[in-house]
Amino acid sequence: DVKVTQSSRYLVKRTGEKVFLECVQDMDHENMFWYRQDPGLGLRLIYFSYDVKMKEKGDIPEGYSVSREKKERFSLILESASTNQTSMYLCASSLVAGGSDTQYFGPGTRLTVL
Amino acid sequence: DQQVKQNSPSLSVQEGRISILNCDYTNSMFDYFLWYKKYPAEGPTFLISISSIKDKNEDGRFTVFLNKSAKHLSLHIVPSQPGDSAVYFCAASGRINKFYFGSGTKLNVKP
Repeated sequence: DVKVTQSSRYLVKRTGEKVFLECVQDMDHENMFWYRQDPGLGLRLIYFSYDVKMKEKGDIPEGYSVSREKKERFSLILESASTNQTSMYLCASSLVAGGSDTQYFGPGTRLTVL
Repeated sequence: DQQVKQNSPSLSVQEGRISILNCDYTNSMFDYFLWYKKYPAEGPTFLISISSIKDKNEDGRFTVFLNKSAKHLSLHIVPSQPGDSAVYFCAASGRINKFYFGSGTKLNVKP
């Protein structure tokens, strides 16, 4: 079974803080993704990575950066957290590139920025 | 502008009856479609998929139908069970492994 874990289930931060969200997958997947889920908007792609040290912007990258130093780990960084980044953050991974591959999700991190 | 839309935010169905969840998309280049199920406090889990070369795919109680000309897909659950109560997301992708998700439909199956 694919396992995708996220470092925190719940996180509360203050405006202006630097925030790190960590994601680890244990199935040697090439691709990793960060989404945020907001009511009425579904899941929106922030960044994805198809290889170590490679990254691509998703649909809403502003205010975020990512890091992928090892194949199994993909980090999302909020350089200076703002209240509009309060959201559920979901990490996912998939085996190979190509549109027909299923993505496997972690349990999510509920981030609140005060 | 959302490329994948689920226009019903919620659906309530009696146990044993059919649940039909709908999804519309705008991009004709999408050729692979999935449904995910999400329980509270958990990540989405893959449920069923269909590629554009098919118009129907079945897996047990779950069937997905694809109407390419209408750019519409639907998920049928028969018979519905209380354990099916969850939020259902449809997703679509083109050539690369980048998916576009709908906003979700919350299904409530009443015992």
